[in-house]
Amino acid sequence: SQQGEEDPQALSIQEGENATMNCSYKTSINNLQWYRQNSGRGLVHLILIRSNEREKHSGRLRVTLDTSKKSSSLLITASRAADTASYFCATSFNNAGNMLTFGGGTRLMVKP
Amino acid sequence: DAGITQSPRHKVTETGTPVTLRCHQTENHRYMYWYRQDPGHGLRLIHYSYGVKDTDKGEVSDGYSVSRSKTEDFLLTLESATSSQTSVYFCAISGGTGQTEAFFGQGTRLTVV
Repeated sequence: SQQGEEDPQALSIQEGENATMNCSYKTSINNLQWYRQNSGRGLVHLILIRSNEREKHSGRLRVTLDTSKKSSSLLITASRAADTASYFCATSFNNAGNMLTFGGGTRLMVKP
Repeated sequence: DAGITQSPRHKVTETGTPVTLRCHQTENHRYMYWYRQDPGHGLRLIHYSYGVKDTDKGEVSDGYSVSRSKTEDFLLTLESATSSQTSVYFCAISGGTGQTEAFFGQGTRLTVV
């Protein structure tokens, strides 16, 4: 079963608009990460937020984490056509294998 | 991309045949993982390794085995391929414990006919 669930499953916006994706998870976590996947490629790490952090920024990305609600959001500001991809949240909890558990992803399409 | 190479990148095989996928890393990372990606399921962990000869099962390990005889190589074997194992397989590596990112290979598209 998936630990994280992304919402929405698909999102279509115009270039220049902001895109917000949400992730909910079920158990306590050590950290939460967001990844991006372009069609036919592997996943690329975007940003990591620790369980004791509430907000983090990286360029046009803003991630929030609410551990009381077991949820996170990824905001991409001023989107570009090149941001078109699938975005996944992944959770990590204290375990011997340092494993990540992924959600089903949000497919983002940014129209030029 | 981090130094991760998956081989082959594409493979078509027949039901009942054994298949081995290879993941090779040049980063000397401790942890290695095999995931499968299917529509509607995201990525699901098959097996992982936390050191040479140290492996454990993930969420969807039935029908798969792994081996790690060297730090740099992690092999995934489908003992007797079935059509339900048609998928895209990703290898990932991670360097530290706790709060580190994972790096992914480019994937292997496997079709079982």
